[in-house]
Amino acid sequence: EPEVTQTPSHQVTQMGQEVILRCVPISNHLYFYWYRQILGQKVEFLVSFYNNEISEKSEIFDDQFSVERPDGSNFTLKIRSTKLEDSAMYFCASSEGTGGGNQPQHFGDGTRLSIL
Amino acid sequence: GQQVMQIPQYQHVQEGEDFTTYCNSSTTLSNIQWYKQRPGGHPVFLIQLVKSGEVKKQKRLTFQFGEAKKNSSLHITATQTTDVGTYFCALGGAQKLVFGQGTRLTINP
Repeated sequence: EPEVTQTPSHQVTQMGQEVILRCVPISNHLYFYWYRQILGQKVEFLVSFYNNEISEKSEIFDDQFSVERPDGSNFTLKIRSTKLEDSAMYFCASSEGTGGGNQPQHFGDGTRLSIL
Repeated sequence: GQQVMQIPQYQHVQEGEDFTTYCNSSTTLSNIQWYKQRPGGHPVFLIQLVKSGEVKKQKRLTFQFGEAKKNSSLHITATQTTDVGTYFCALGGAQKLVFGQGTRLTINP
């Protein structure tokens, strides 16, 4: 069964540094998402991406964050000047078809980001 | 924006007992999805409910969508140790999912 893949599985970074989290969505999917989950808490929406542009973003997704689809397969989340509170598990997800929020979303295994 | 309240936050049962988690919204929902997250894992889609009063079953799992489309429940009959994890309801919006707080299910074998 096709799956969403994320790299790295764990990223440790000094506060103030930039990180790039990488994702390869399922190949025929059209909608891509990033979510984060602080340890023991709920999954929080960050951003959705469709047709090579952001379609929706949350209040969390401020100027510190950016997303990019640099080629036909990768989908990246960049966090500039990381802060301690950015420590969390970051999940990439993708869905097929139209009306992204009304389709099942397939999640990757996540990248655990630890800011020191 | 839309939010959903999910209760209980934690539930510990003996293996073989039933389990139910509830999601409630103050507004009418277009649809609701349920996900399961095993400890250390990622959310995995279980089901989507769209119609008022809809009931769907997956083996020992029964999902319901309220008549007013403001609440939903997941019921597990005769829990097994493989059911351990956190169950989330999620509101399917235009371009995102809004997750509930989740119910963490632990089971005493």
